[in-house]
Amino acid sequence: AQSVTQLGSHVSVSEGALVLLRCNYSSSVPPYLFWYVQYPNQGLQLLLKYTTGATLVKGINGFEAEFKKSETSFHLTKPSAHMSDAAEYFCAVSARGAYNQGGKLIFGQGTELSVKP
Amino acid sequence: DVKVTQSSRYLVKRTGEKVFLECVQDMDHENMFWYRQDPGLGLRLIYFSYDVKMKEKGDIPEGYSVSREKKERFSLILESASTNQTSMYLCASRNGAGSSGNTIYFGEGSWLTVV
Repeated sequence: AQSVTQLGSHVSVSEGALVLLRCNYSSSVPPYLFWYVQYPNQGLQLLLKYTTGATLVKGINGFEAEFKKSETSFHLTKPSAHMSDAAEYFCAVSARGAYNQGGKLIFGQGTELSVKP
Repeated sequence: DVKVTQSSRYLVKRTGEKVFLECVQDMDHENMFWYRQDPGLGLRLIYFSYDVKMKEKGDIPEGYSVSREKKERFSLILESASTNQTSMYLCASRNGAGSSGNTIYFGEGSWLTVV
């Protein structure tokens, strides 16, 4: 069984400060990992994903995340927050191949990011 | 550009009504999904479909059914709407049956209020 835990339902940072959104997962098989962003009254948009290869993944809008197998984590970071980054962020996990027929994607509870001027 | 379209953004229905939520994708994707989003609970999978006429229950299928008669269209049906089904519903699609690493693309969402 897979699960995702996002630590902190609300995170507030100042404009220009580091953004760190935490995600830990549980999976009995090697996972694929995703971060999605949701702006108010919109659907979800992919920020980045880890499938294979380099464990540091770069995404859109200056975000990046690092897959750490030993810590079962996939934290999302951005060096300098912008006001436009205010949104809700979701971490998600999907088991690989034959272990996950149909490719079910399991989401965390979400973290709402506020950016103060 | 990828497009998943949910025909109704905002709906208000009465308890006991039959409700149809329609979703269309223009990418020839095999997989389609219906999620429900509630504050503090994230997204929960209601149903997903591998391909035309194929469907599988997700984590919370009770009170819902689905229909996929054509590849591009995936409908969510609430047979008898109840107030606890008031929520945001998100449709999504993905290329490649079984390719769980591929990106899932989402529609804008349908806000359903049951009174």
